[in-house]
Amino acid sequence: SQQGEEDPQALSIQEGENATMNCSYKTSINNLQWYRQNSGRGLVHLILIRSNEREKHSGRLRVTLDTSKKSSSLLITASRAADTASYFCATGSTTYKYIFGTGTRLKVLA
Amino acid sequence: DAEITQSPRHKITETGRQVTLACHQTWNHNNMFWYRQDLGHGLRLIHYSYGVQDTNKGEVSDGYSVSRSNTEDLPLTLESAASSQTSVYFCASDNGLAGGTQYFGPGTRLTVL
Repeated sequence: SQQGEEDPQALSIQEGENATMNCSYKTSINNLQWYRQNSGRGLVHLILIRSNEREKHSGRLRVTLDTSKKSSSLLITASRAADTASYFCATGSTTYKYIFGTGTRLKVLA
Repeated sequence: DAEITQSPRHKITETGRQVTLACHQTWNHNNMFWYRQDLGHGLRLIHYSYGVQDTNKGEVSDGYSVSRSNTEDLPLTLESAASSQTSVYFCASDNGLAGGTQYFGPGTRLTVL
């Protein structure tokens, strides 16, 4: 069963706009990570947020975590064409295995 | 630089054949994982290992096996390939620390005819 579900499934925006994607999960977690996947490539880690954190920043990325709602959001500010990719959330729990969501396909139009 | 590699990158095989996908990492990570990626399902965990001689079943392990004889390699074997196993397979590793980043290989695209 899938732990994380990303929303929306697909998103198309203009270069320079902000992109927001959401992840909802079902059970208690220790941390949540976001990954990016370019077409035909493996996943690349972007950012990790722990269950006791509410917000985290890394460059143009901002991640929030609301454990009461079992949800997280990834905001990419001032998007670029190079941000075009699929984005996945992955939840880590006491069993340690990471469970990935189905992903959001982001397309940034130049 | 440390890396994680997979081979072959593309494979076409026939139903019923045994297939082995290789995964090799030079991170010296204890933990290694195999996932399959299909449209509409995201990544699903097949098998994982926390160290040499340790293997564990994941969410979709039926029809697959792994063995861990050293730290660097975790080959994935499809005992008798089925068309339902047509997918893209990713290997990943991490250092075993809680919340550790997973590093992914480039993937193997497997087609079972």
